[in-house]
Amino acid sequence: QITLKESGPTLVEPTQTLTLTCTFSGFSLKTIGVGVGWIRQPPGKALEWLALIYWNDDKAYSPSLKSRLTITKDTSRNQVVLRMTNMDPVDTATYYCAHSVGSGGDYWGQGTLVTVSS
Amino acid sequence: QSVLTQPPSVSGAPGQRVTISCTGSSSNIGAGYDVQWYQQLPGTAPKLLIFLNSNRPSGVPDRFSGSKSGTSASLTITGLQAEDEADYYCQSYDSSLSGVWVFGGGTKLTVL
Repeated sequence: QITLKESGPTLVEPTQTLTLTCTFSGFSLKTIGVGVGWIRQPPGKALEWLALIYWNDDKAYSPSLKSRLTITKDTSRNQVVLRMTNMDPVDTATYYCAHSVGSGGDYWGQGTLVTVSS
Repeated sequence: QSVLTQPPSVSGAPGQRVTISCTGSSSNIGAGYDVQWYQQLPGTAPKLLIFLNSNRPSGVPDRFSGSKSGTSASLTITGLQAEDEADYYCQSYDSSLSGVWVFGGGTKLTVL
């Protein structure tokens, strides 16, 4: 079955760069049509889409965060990595990765809470 | 400010029917892009509830149904149960500068 799990630091300081890893199983990012996306959710707030990477290495980013985000994939290790630069306390959120074969995410990871504070 | 607009809250008594709306624009739902709905129980990750406007993944009860018309979509829950109390989010694709995936602001469903 398809599973995804996010990992990374739970606490980052302002201005630092956040690196999150999504490790997945049950599918391959070499399969045509498959993508992995990142979504975040500040405490008590709504979901916000961040980035998406496809099987063919096409990438898409949230326009409002594009300058700060980089998404990459390692198909041999079944991982997708998201980097977000210049972290700020407003970036405190639970970060999710999700599998996609179309318009949305059909399988989601459990999420990882990242707090930005000095 | 979310690209898709949902009511902040809805409520209903057990057994009743509730509908949650999701209003978009000509660059997302109105452009023909599909709508997904997610259920988020307290303290858990979102779970896909409806995909491609009206399809239920395996395991989702048929009490949950989705529809789309024009620039809007709706999620209807019939025979409301206590365990349906959760946050519900709509999501679509947007062809403008809003981004690829766009979400609604979420609707808190309270079962009275």
